[in-house]
Amino acid sequence: TQLLEQSPQFLSIQEGENLTVYCNSSSVFSSLQWYRQEPGEGPVLLVTVVTGGEVKKLKRLTFQFGDARKDSSLHITAAQPGDTGLYLCAGGRGNQFYFGTGTSLTVIP
Amino acid sequence: KAGVTQTPRYLIKTRGQQVTLSCSPISGHRSVSWYQQTPGQGLQFLFEYFSETQRNKGNFPGRFSGRQFSNSRSEMNVSTLELGDSALYLCASSLDRPSGEQFFGPGTRLTVL
Repeated sequence: TQLLEQSPQFLSIQEGENLTVYCNSSSVFSSLQWYRQEPGEGPVLLVTVVTGGEVKKLKRLTFQFGDARKDSSLHITAAQPGDTGLYLCAGGRGNQFYFGTGTSLTVIP
Repeated sequence: KAGVTQTPRYLIKTRGQQVTLSCSPISGHRSVSWYQQTPGQGLQFLFEYFSETQRNKGNFPGRFSGRQFSNSRSEMNVSTLELGDSALYLCASSLDRPSGEQFFGPGTRLTVL
């Protein structure tokens, strides 16, 4: 059983569309990160959120941490082919770090 | 500041052999974590080292081991390789604890034949 569940698992959209990826848990996390990973490479950190209700924006990407610090969402506006990749959420609790199940995004030109 | 480096990038071994992978963390980072990534299981935590001590361990058999040196560089070793050990092995470093921000290396792609 994964501590962090992501949905959807796969997403294929046309360039210019908007999308939202969800990361849910029944556990509370002290912080939550989002990563993007391209095939054969390591995950690259996109953002860290630490405060319940926090919203961070990174160009066309908007990240939100749930009020109870159990869930998070990633919203992409006007998706571009360069957004294609595996999106992973990860949460920290004490000295442990847990990864979500991942969302594979394909943006079709 | 240089990022996390891992060597080698690619490795092909046969069943029964052993392998050692190396990771150099970002300068100043003292925590190094190792992960195994496969298409079916996703990212699975192997272990984490801090100040040359294993601080956390995932649910992997004893064939998987690691160590950390005084300069924070880390190695992981897999003995008696099995076909199922084929995976991307990722190393991540953080300042002092993995629940903070982690920075990943490019990974070592291990293929066991």
